[in-house]
Amino acid sequence: GENVEQHPSTLSVQEGDSAVIKCTYSDSASNYFPWYKQELGKRPQLIIDIRSNVGEKKDQRIAVTLNKTAKHFSLHITETQPEDSAVYFCALLRDTGRRALTFGSGTRLQVQP
Amino acid sequence: NAGVTQTPKFRVLKTGQSMTLLCAQDMNHEYMYWYRQDPGMGLRLIHYSVGEGTTAKGEVPDGYNVSRLKKQNFLLGLESAAPSQTSVYFCASTHSYEQYFGPGTRLTVT
Repeated sequence: GENVEQHPSTLSVQEGDSAVIKCTYSDSASNYFPWYKQELGKRPQLIIDIRSNVGEKKDQRIAVTLNKTAKHFSLHITETQPEDSAVYFCALLRDTGRRALTFGSGTRLQVQP
Repeated sequence: NAGVTQTPKFRVLKTGQSMTLLCAQDMNHEYMYWYRQDPGMGLRLIHYSVGEGTTAKGEVPDGYNVSRLKKQNFLLGLESAAPSQTSVYFCASTHSYEQYFGPGTRLTVT
């Protein structure tokens, strides 16, 4: 089945710094790559996503880049704020028939004020 | 428009007991999913449905059954609960790519 590796597992940054989380995958047929933010005790919430025909997408302070040749995609958060502290999950979708996501293991981001 | 709702929010079971988790969505989505999330891990797919009356196995289906008798509801059953099924269960639905998640059910099996 699909495999998604996510790094780092924990990340601590100072407020105002940038944070980068990277995911690598093995299945070249994957075509949808979302990122989710999950606060403690809450449901995962989609923060940004990218399709396989796009190399980069930006939404205010967050951006996602996709390198299909190298099979990795990354989440970039600029000007981090304490409220960005959460667990972030990458995911991908390969099988458009069932449209089920495969998730990475998560990155715990701590933004120090 | 409530989105995706789950019942119950919390439950404690003894080993061997059974229960059903209910997921409901009011967005007329065809696709529905059950995931489980264990500490320090991402979500793993248990079962899914691509439409009313259809169900299929995901990555970790053992010990669970599902039913989709109505388009808006997706039920997850545990026939004989085991401590290994202690987890947080999330339901999700979609009509395209973006998945909408329910608030989760925290299940503890003692």
